[in-house]
Amino acid sequence: GNSVTQMEGPVTLSEEAFLTINCTYTATGYPSLFWYVQYPGEGLQLLLKATKADDKGSNKGFEATYRKETTSFHLEKGSVQVSDSAVYFCALSDLRGGATNKLIFGTGTLLAVQP
Amino acid sequence: ETGVTQTPRHLVMGMTNKKSLKCEQHLGHNAMYWYKQSAKKPLELMFVYNFKEQTENNSVPSRFSPECPNSSHLFLHLHTLQPEDSALYLCASSLSGLAGGQDTQYFGPGTRLTVL
Repeated sequence: GNSVTQMEGPVTLSEEAFLTINCTYTATGYPSLFWYVQYPGEGLQLLLKATKADDKGSNKGFEATYRKETTSFHLEKGSVQVSDSAVYFCALSDLRGGATNKLIFGTGTLLAVQP
Repeated sequence: ETGVTQTPRHLVMGMTNKKSLKCEQHLGHNAMYWYKQSAKKPLELMFVYNFKEQTENNSVPSRFSPECPNSSHLFLHLHTLQPEDSALYLCASSLSGLAGGQDTQYFGPGTRLTVL
């Protein structure tokens, strides 16, 4: 069935370091892919999305490219800040069944950025 | 208020209590969702409502009872819960509840539930 696999955390980086959080997926059809972010004590916020192969989603310095050939949607940022510390979730839209708009989430990756 | 709001933000209840969680969306969306977020587990979809009609029940125990009186409001009624039901309950909404791959879900801040 459809699934999302994220790298295990926590990921600990110093401020201004380069960030990569890996995400791979298994899906039938052509799902849309999403990154959501959850700051401490809050709900999930959409960070970026891509709806078809080779699309690049970007927001707040974060980027991810929909790679159909490697079934990946890795999240990157060139220079992280302490304020980026949060849990990051990769997700795909489940198109099976034809009826309901469903998201399948990875387990989340905790990012801790130290000053 | 804008976006998706949830009340209460925190709730502690005994196993014999009855309580309700409330979600309200101010986005003009037609679909609403309940998710459960437990420690160390992926988010679990519980229920989906599209135009007030339930379109998904992901094998959720009957001690959780959803209610959607209109497209802007969603409730989750809780009765005789177990300690393992302690979790963060997240509400979300989207323009449509139909699969299409391009319909973004917007989340509320969640209700942190503790069952004693």
